[in-house]
Amino acid sequence: AQSVTQLGSHVSVSEGALVLLRCNYSSSVPPYLFWYVQYPNQGLQLLLKYTSAATLVKGINGFEAEFKKSETSFHLTKPSAHMSDAAEYFCAVSNTGTASKLTFGTGTRLQVTL
Amino acid sequence: GAVVSQHPSWVICKSGTSVKIECRSLDFQATTMFWYRQFPKQSLMLMATSNEGSKATYEQGVEKDKFLINHASLTLSTLTVTSAHPEDSSFYICSAPSGTGKPYTFGSGTRLTVV
Repeated sequence: AQSVTQLGSHVSVSEGALVLLRCNYSSSVPPYLFWYVQYPNQGLQLLLKYTSAATLVKGINGFEAEFKKSETSFHLTKPSAHMSDAAEYFCAVSNTGTASKLTFGTGTRLQVTL
Repeated sequence: GAVVSQHPSWVICKSGTSVKIECRSLDFQATTMFWYRQFPKQSLMLMATSNEGSKATYEQGVEKDKFLINHASLTLSTLTVTSAHPEDSSFYICSAPSGTGKPYTFGSGTRLTVV
């Protein structure tokens, strides 16, 4: 069985500050890991994914995440927050393979203040 | 890039009626479609997995007679909420893997309100 834990249901940062959203996973097989962003009443947009290649993954909108096997973590970071980054962020895990189902974390709502 | 078109984006229906939600893969063949349900301010919960030409696989606790899934072609999967009740009000999202090594593509979601 696989699972994902996102620490912190709400994170608030000032515009221009570092964004750090935490994700820890549990998996009995080498995992694929994903970060998605969701804006209100919309579907999910992929920010980045880890598929056993480079452990530091760069995504869209300046986000990146580092896969740390020893810590079973895949934290999402962005050096400088922008107001447009305010949204819900989900970490997800799947088995290796194309049609494996995704298991989502509970989500972290990012608030960006002036 | 790969696109999954989901319709309707929102729907209001009366209790006891049925509602059909469609997800179409526009530029790829979706042999598998995942259907999720999301309650307000909560995560996505997988309801079922549909495969083209075969019966859907439902997650534990999901009533297959209430949430009918059809995946009759490689580009269309539908979810029908039968005899809807207010507790079925939720945000429903579909997702399909768009190919080997490619990311899952999500539909834009359907907000269902049962009154």
